This record gives sequence, C-alpha cells and structure tokens, in this order.
Amino acid sequence: QKEVEQDPGPLSVPEGAIVSLNCTYSNSAFQYFMWYRQYSRKGPELLMYTYSSGNKEDGRFTAQVDKSSKYISLFIRDSQPSDSATYLCAMRPPVNTGFQKLVFGTGTRLLVSP
Amino acid sequence: NAGVTQTPKFQVLKTGQSMTLQCAQDMNHEYMSWYRQDPGMGLRLIHYSVGAGITDQGEVPNGYNVSRSTTEDFPLRLLSAAPSQTSVYFCASSTRQGGKTQYFGPGTRLLVL
Repeated sequence: QKEVEQDPGPLSVPEGAIVSLNCTYSNSAFQYFMWYRQYSRKGPELLMYTYSSGNKEDGRFTAQVDKSSKYISLFIRDSQPSDSATYLCAMRPPVNTGFQKLVFGTGTRLLVSP
Repeated sequence: NAGVTQTPKFQVLKTGQSMTLQCAQDMNHEYMSWYRQDPGMGLRLIHYSVGAGITDQGEVPNGYNVSRSTTEDFPLRLLSAAPSQTSVYFCASSTRQGGKTQYFGPGTRLLVL
C-alpha cells in the first residue's frame, strides 16, 4: 500500500465549477500537508500548505486536512481554464522525527473547459 | 534569479550509455534533491544533498550517482543507462531538509532505447 493515494483523473469540469481534489494517507506521523501544481512539461510549484488539521484559504483555493480520517482536500472555487494542470499532494512528518523528505501523491490531472 | 535550471531538456540514450544530467540553483540553498517522475508512481526521491560535499541516497538510488562540489551545482550521473530509467527527472532545492517549499527545475525528459 502506498503511503499517499491520489486519484490520477483526469477530472474534467466546466469553467466556473467548484473543484475538489483529494488525497488519503496511511502514516499518522505526517504533520505538514502541501499542494503542488504542475503545468504540462513544467516542474511542480508549491500552491499552498497546511500544518496539522484545519483549513487554510488563499484566494480561490482552500486546503483542508482531516487527520482523524487521514484525508486532505484542495478546493478550487470559480475554476478557470488556467487552473488546468496536475495537482500533487505532498506530506511530511514533524521536523524532529528523523530523515526529512516529502512524500508525494501521484497527482490528479484537472481539465477546466471554457 | 534564474531559480533552478536543468540541462538538457530532452535526451535519448541507448542502453549501456552513460550521461550526466546537470542541475544548478542560484538561490544559495543548502538542500538539493533529484526526483524521477513516472506515470502512476508520482515523484520518487533518487538522491539528495544537505550541503556541499554531503550526499545521500533516497528511495530509488540504484543506477545513479551524485556529487556536490559546490552549493550551486548538483549533477546526476547515469552510469549505464537502462530502459527502466526512461523517465522525467526533476532537480529541486530548498532552504531546509524536506522543506515545504521545494523549488523545482523544469525537468529533463530521458528516453533510453
């Protein structure tokens, strides 16, 4: 079983729709949760991150973490064609727990049509 | 700042050939990593470095070597290319080990025939 599971998609939505992207994970030690966005033939770039549980909002984007369910979500409101990309979740345990590396999901490809 | 740069953008190799993928960053980051990205597998860590002269293995290091003689450069060497090494390779840097903000390069697409 992979440490982080993510539906690869593609997820196709019309412009203006609310998009929900999700990841599940198995390691309860994860404390930092990140969302990276990767445009076609480009490197990933950090979109936003959340520490532990709760919500974080940044413009049209909201990241949500439910540690009890080991489930994280990224919501995109009023989706735009420019949001078409692959979204990767990434996670990391606390700083004081040995080797630090990010564990990435496989990514969900999102297509927003005009 | 150019950020993280990688060369070449695309390369075709024959089985058994060797090559070096170049990576450089101009942000004075101590930590640099190499990942490979394959369909259905996500990003997997190959090797990483916590500073000049210090490198260590990630989760998929076999068939790859790295060195870090300067803060800026972190080349990845394929010793004897195999078709299983066909992938997209990303170099990343960060200000700390396992940093939340990894700055990725544009990637090198490698095809091994």
